[in-house]
Amino acid sequence: EDQVTQSPEALRLQEGESSSLNCSYTVSGLRGLFWYRQDPGKGPEFLFTLYSAGEEKEKERLKATLTKKESFLHITAPKPEDSATYLCAVQSMDSNYQLIWGAGTKLIIKP
Amino acid sequence: DAGVIQSPRHEVTEMGQEVTLRCKPISGHDYLFWYRQTMMRGLELLIYFNNNVPIDDSGMPEDRFSAKMPNASFSTLKIQPSEPRDSAVYFCASASPGQSSYNEQFFGPGTRLTVL
Repeated sequence: EDQVTQSPEALRLQEGESSSLNCSYTVSGLRGLFWYRQDPGKGPEFLFTLYSAGEEKEKERLKATLTKKESFLHITAPKPEDSATYLCAVQSMDSNYQLIWGAGTKLIIKP
Repeated sequence: DAGVIQSPRHEVTEMGQEVTLRCKPISGHDYLFWYRQTMMRGLELLIYFNNNVPIDDSGMPEDRFSAKMPNASFSTLKIQPSEPRDSAVYFCASASPGQSSYNEQFFGPGTRLTVL
């Protein structure tokens, strides 16, 4: 069964303290892995898509990486405005654009 | 483009009443998704459409739920009769994989439904 597990559930960091969020997945053939950011009271906002092991994408203080079993979202020198819930989702080769979602990691950056 | 538009943003109703949620996807997008999000179950796909045709409704929890897409710019999700356990945030998302190299879905702001 296709599955996505994110860890930790919540992460509190001081401003400037770098860390990583994990997304482990089991899927019968990966079409793509997606990272989204969700702010309270809003819909998820697209960040990255990764397609193959070894691929990396960067955007400001965020960098996403992908292996055959998991993806990491690295946050370098975070700021309070990076506080949000980060969601990971995968799309299998068998699906027509359906995504399987993880439960998310709630990130809190304290000034 | 204004992005995905959903209405109403908040809905409070009593058990047994009919609820209709509305969505306008991004112009030109040929995929439309309805999701439900709760603390307990996270983000769940209810149903999705391609070119106004329902492709997979296996996520629709019960016959009380129904969705339509009469044209490319409008979709509805109806719950009749509503129950307290339907309380959640309902999101609509649209996508156009042919126009993007990233296959991303664009989400609306959601409708927060409370059934008393």
